[in-house]
Amino acid sequence: GDSVTQMEGPVTLSEEAFLTINCTYTATGYPSLFWYVQYPGEGLQLLLKATKADDKGSNKGFEATYRKETTSFHLEKGSVQVSDSAVYFCALISRRTGNQFYFGTGTSLTVIP
Amino acid sequence: GAGVSQTPSNKVTEKGKYVELRCDPISGHTALYWYRQSLGQGPEFLIYFQGTGAADDSGLPNDRFFAVRPEGSVSTLKIQRTERGDSAVYLCASSLRSSAQETQYFGPGTRLLVL
Repeated sequence: GDSVTQMEGPVTLSEEAFLTINCTYTATGYPSLFWYVQYPGEGLQLLLKATKADDKGSNKGFEATYRKETTSFHLEKGSVQVSDSAVYFCALISRRTGNQFYFGTGTSLTVIP
Repeated sequence: GAGVSQTPSNKVTEKGKYVELRCDPISGHTALYWYRQSLGQGPEFLIYFQGTGAADDSGLPNDRFFAVRPEGSVSTLKIQRTERGDSAVYLCASSLRSSAQETQYFGPGTRLLVL
């Protein structure tokens, strides 16, 4: 079945450090891929998405590229800020069903000044 | 505009009781989804509505769980004979339509605690 595996946390970085959170997926066909973020005390928010191979999603300095050959969608940011501290979830939706997300277990990021 | 809203934000109940959780989707969104998020885990799909009908309820864990969306807008997730293992955050999401390209917008969740 469809599934997402993402890097386990927690991850602690100093401000302005480079961030990578790995995400790989298993899916029938070519899914749409997403990164959601959950800030402390808040609900899930869409961070970025990519709907086909080689697409790059980007938002707020974060980027992720849909790599079909490696079935990956790694999240990157060149210089993290304290305000980026949150839990990050990688997710996919199957094109076949188009109705339910499969989420990873989440990666907690803490950025220290 | 208004996002997805869920009520109550927190619910504490005793084992064996019945609970109802409400979701108000974004106006005009025809697709509505329920997920359950246990501590330290990602959300897990429960059920999805397209309009008034449950198009996919394959994620409901057992027959104690039921959801309705009678007028194609507000939805209620109902849990009978609650068990301690039902404690989790229940998330609702909506999208303009059901499609892999559509963004699902999530509500803040209802945190359910079964004592």
